[in-house]
Amino acid sequence: EAQVTQNPRYLITVTGKKLTVTCSQNMNHEYMSWYRQDPGLGLRQIYYSMNVEVTDKGDVPEGYKVSRKEKRNFPLILESPSPNQTSLYFCASNRGATQYFGPGTRLTVL
Amino acid sequence: GDSVTQMEGPVTLSEEAFLTINCTYTATGYPSLFWYVQYPGEGLQLLLKATKADDKGSNKGFEATYRKETTSFHLEKGSVQVSDSAVYFCALSDFQGAQKLVFGQGTRLTINP
Repeated sequence: EAQVTQNPRYLITVTGKKLTVTCSQNMNHEYMSWYRQDPGLGLRQIYYSMNVEVTDKGDVPEGYKVSRKEKRNFPLILESPSPNQTSLYFCASNRGATQYFGPGTRLTVL
Repeated sequence: GDSVTQMEGPVTLSEEAFLTINCTYTATGYPSLFWYVQYPGEGLQLLLKATKADDKGSNKGFEATYRKETTSFHLEKGSVQVSDSAVYFCALSDFQGAQKLVFGQGTRLTINP
């Protein structure tokens, strides 16, 4: 089944404790993105990657890092999380105009 | 920059009512337009799309027409069901850029039996 998976689905952590949210797709898509969803703001792109070892900032990259060492994986790294990064995070992949989203990771930073 | 403005929610309707959710956009190029749906506890799913002016996207009884003259992409359904209760997002993708989606703020729809 074609899908985008994310782990963990839920995470509660404390300020400053490094964390990684994994994302994997099995559709051989070149393009992958991370978004965050906040009430009243819709989804905003954090980072994107156009292929292996090619990443760039989206609209809200501050406080986040990504890497793309393999085509299927695109982890999101929060080196020192802060409470304003409490949000719902979505990974997505696409080849053409249509993006396919993972199920989401709800992150709470205390 | 590019932007999408959606009808404010939440929207509550009775089953079998007619649905319209308004969406307008601002873009410098010739974007593709999308409606995504998010059911409770799930990720976003593509509902329909249109890639050029006057195209009509349709799926599951929902329709939206790409209107370049009014920069709009309103979502409609003739007879809604309880199972249509979800959050609906209008979005655009501008291929001149990085193929990212620019989203509206989302409209929560609740259908009562």
